[in-house]
Amino acid sequence: QQPVQSPQAVILREGEDAVINCSSSKALYSVHWYRQKHGEAPVFLMILLKGGEQKGHEKISASFNEKKQQSSLYLTASQLSYSGTYFCGTHNSGGSNYKLTFGKGTLLTVNP
Amino acid sequence: NAGVMQNPRHLVRRRGQEARLRCSPMKGHSHVYWYRQLPEEGLKFMVYLQKENIIDESGMPKERFSAEFPKEGPSILRIQQVVRGDSAAYFCASSPIGAIQETQYFGPGTRLLVL
Repeated sequence: QQPVQSPQAVILREGEDAVINCSSSKALYSVHWYRQKHGEAPVFLMILLKGGEQKGHEKISASFNEKKQQSSLYLTASQLSYSGTYFCGTHNSGGSNYKLTFGKGTLLTVNP
Repeated sequence: NAGVMQNPRHLVRRRGQEARLRCSPMKGHSHVYWYRQLPEEGLKFMVYLQKENIIDESGMPKERFSAEFPKEGPSILRIQQVVRGDSAAYFCASSPIGAIQETQYFGPGTRLLVL
């Protein structure tokens, strides 16, 4: 089942914060976050595994809520370089241990 | 340490021709995944291969599409008798092992345009 991402698009001014959500209708085992700039490869950001773990590096962090079957990506004090489309890829509990199912993406635009 | 390599980056084919897309995984990675991306859409899983083995091709159309990952050389995604609907970006990713906690590293993609 394809996870649902929200919002579909968000526009920020440099320095503002954003939250991107990824929801699944099935129990999640892991969530992988990627950022893709137009015409380029998706770049890995982080993995969250079952257990409600929160991860982060610099000003980008993420949480995993097992009960809500949801993960959220937090971008604080956004920079121009954060612009791009953010995808979550999920592994569902009981599913294959390699096949990622991706959401449709959230387009983030950071303006000066 | 070179990343995942894909070639060609852009490929134009006329309807009915064949398209061959190549993917060289990162050094030390023996697991390759192919995904297709349509405009404004997420990545859709096509096939998962290990060296000389197709593990899961459940996302691949039954006809005209095939994939291989030989003992030597890159993984190849082959599309025979291409149609306009095959136009898309095709990405491959690789990982050291096939496990949930493993990161899949993506290549730059091949953009296929069918005229």
